[in-house]
Amino acid sequence: GQNIDQPTEMTATEGAIVQINCTYQTSGFNGLFWYQQHAGEAPTFLSYNVLDGLEEKGRFSSFLSRSKGYSYLLLKELQMKDSASYLCAVRDGDYKLSFGAGTTVTVRA
Amino acid sequence: TAGITQAPTSQILAAGRSMTLRCTQDMRHNAMYWYRQDLGLGLRLIHYSNTAGTTGKGEVPDGYSVSRANTDDFPLTLASAVPSQTSVYFCASSDSIAGGGEQFFGPGTRLTVL
Repeated sequence: GQNIDQPTEMTATEGAIVQINCTYQTSGFNGLFWYQQHAGEAPTFLSYNVLDGLEEKGRFSSFLSRSKGYSYLLLKELQMKDSASYLCAVRDGDYKLSFGAGTTVTVRA
Repeated sequence: TAGITQAPTSQILAAGRSMTLRCTQDMRHNAMYWYRQDLGLGLRLIHYSNTAGTTGKGEVPDGYSVSRANTDDFPLTLASAVPSQTSVYFCASSDSIAGGGEQFFGPGTRLTVL
């Protein structure tokens, strides 16, 4: 099976920066994804990393270190609409996605 | 473009009854997936299909069956529902199982088994 760990909850202030860490142990590795999920809605794609390093997309950035089994999602200039659950997902050697339990981020004014 | 649709939106089902959750995508994606999402456990893969005519078991397949007769449709059937199958069910699709092929998710079906 797969083991994907991320913090359960994080709280930050509007305009601040928050970093969500994700560690994983999987059978094979074919990429790491981050999804955003607002309460009562479907997950939506944020980012994809398959090589080590930082991928930047607007206010969101994602980092991967394959040797450490570690990724983080960085959310900058936080807005109230960023309050959501953030899901780390790893694609294994069989090309199936395994998800972490998600990190609920609450942005306060 | 509708993307992925699921039906019903929600359902209350008596234990022991059967039910089919419907999923249709109009993006001509090759791969489709069924997940269940439970509080504290995240999304868990039930069954998947890499291409029409093929299916495979995910992490939690027991009590569920799927079929993939064509590219667009991927129904999930519960033959005899049990209370532990109370969950939110998401269908997803992706153009490819490899590369940066992200999965697109449907709106979900909230199922309660009593």
